[in-house]
Amino acid sequence: EVQLVESGGDLVQPGGSGSLRLSCVASGFTFTSYWMTWVRQPPGKGPEWVASIKQDGIEKFYADSVTGRFTISRDNVKNSMYLQMDSLRVEDTATYYCVASSAVGDRHWGQGTLVTVSS
Amino acid sequence: DIQMTQSPSSLSASVGDRVTITCRASEDIISSLVWFQQKPGKAPKSLIYGASSLESGVPSKFSGSGSGTDFTLTITRLQPEDFATYYCQQYHAFPLTFGAGTRVEI
Repeated sequence: EVQLVESGGDLVQPGGSGSLRLSCVASGFTFTSYWMTWVRQPPGKGPEWVASIKQDGIEKFYADSVTGRFTISRDNVKNSMYLQMDSLRVEDTATYYCVASSAVGDRHWGQGTLVTVSS
Repeated sequence: DIQMTQSPSSLSASVGDRVTITCRASEDIISSLVWFQQKPGKAPKSLIYGASSLESGVPSKFSGSGSGTDFTLTITRLQPEDFATYYCQQYHAFPLTFGAGTRVEI
């Protein structure tokens, strides 16, 4: 059974000191064959793409809204993906989902982890 | 960026109905489109990838069609568990972009 389990969401203050590291642990499929992506969904709104990382961990892509503040990475030995979030803003408040997608397009979603940025 | 225009934004239907949701891309995305379902407070669930391929375990009452810029999700024999919000998303190019969603209500 495919499983994606996110963790690390929390309540943090906005600004330079507001940082979080999200994790996603994958099981039940060949992790190294899948692109990995973070998608977020603010409360009451639609999903928004955040960042993606290729199977080799070298190619990475970011949404303009997070470029320079967020860093995506993966560990193919630990079957895990991460999102380091720095300089968090109120508008980063959302549920963050981990998504695995294969070369042909099929994909799996995690259950999400809530990040709240508020003073 | 590729804009995804989804319609309608909401629709009312009855159990047993057939419903159709459309998604239009602002440029040719070949068949790089997924559809997914989301219920309140729950994670999205993928239904269709490659515009028309059914995800494993998804019932055949869901079907997708289209290529290029125009795509359709059809749900037949609507059941109570199908009342949810449906989104399209293109993966032809970064940034990945989503439709605004279609809420299917009773």
